[in-house]
Amino acid sequence: AQSVTQPDIHITVSEGASLELRCNYSYGATPYLFWYVQSPGQGLQLLLKYFSGDTLVQGIKGFEAEFKRSQSSFNLRKPSVHWSDAAEYFCAVGASGTYKYIFGTGTRLKVLA
Amino acid sequence: DTEVTQTPKHLVMGMTNKKSLKCEQHMGHRAMYWYKQKAKKPPELMFVYSYEKLSINESVPSRFSPECPNSSLLNLHLHALQPEDSALYLCASSQPKGTKGNTIYFGEGSWLTVV
Repeated sequence: AQSVTQPDIHITVSEGASLELRCNYSYGATPYLFWYVQSPGQGLQLLLKYFSGDTLVQGIKGFEAEFKRSQSSFNLRKPSVHWSDAAEYFCAVGASGTYKYIFGTGTRLKVLA
Repeated sequence: DTEVTQTPKHLVMGMTNKKSLKCEQHMGHRAMYWYKQKAKKPPELMFVYSYEKLSINESVPSRFSPECPNSSLLNLHLHALQPEDSALYLCASSQPKGTKGNTIYFGEGSWLTVV
């Protein structure tokens, strides 16, 4: 079955601390992988994406993610979190031949001042 | 800034009303989507239009009626909704299926409250 798992429902970090959000997937085809961020009351903004090539991808707002095929993971990282990063983060997986991208259940990030 | 714009941002409607949500994309995409998102949940796919034709309907009740007048516009007509239909409705767009590295881009959403 195709699925995306975000094991952490909530994560709380202090401002300036590093961050890692986990994402594991199960997908039959070669996956396209995405991270989106959703601030309260807003739509989903694309942070970064992976299709092929270099397994470490850089995104907006200082985020990066690493694709590990052997672990079926695509974890999101940021070296120093800012208060404005408090939001909901969704991992998603898709493929070239489909419109039905699969979203994880999301991780809500809280940032302590 | 998003290149997928949605109007209105907020809508309150009664269960007997007829209203519409509107979406416009300026990215030259040929696929457009409607998603529904309840609080603290991921978005759920409702409809996909590809080249202005309905490609996917995820068994959505007929009180939701999508329309794609042209490649850059997408509407969602609402009629006889129920309170449980209250949610954030997200429009999105992408290149057509089969495009390498296809990415879905979302609008800011329309908050719908059914009273």
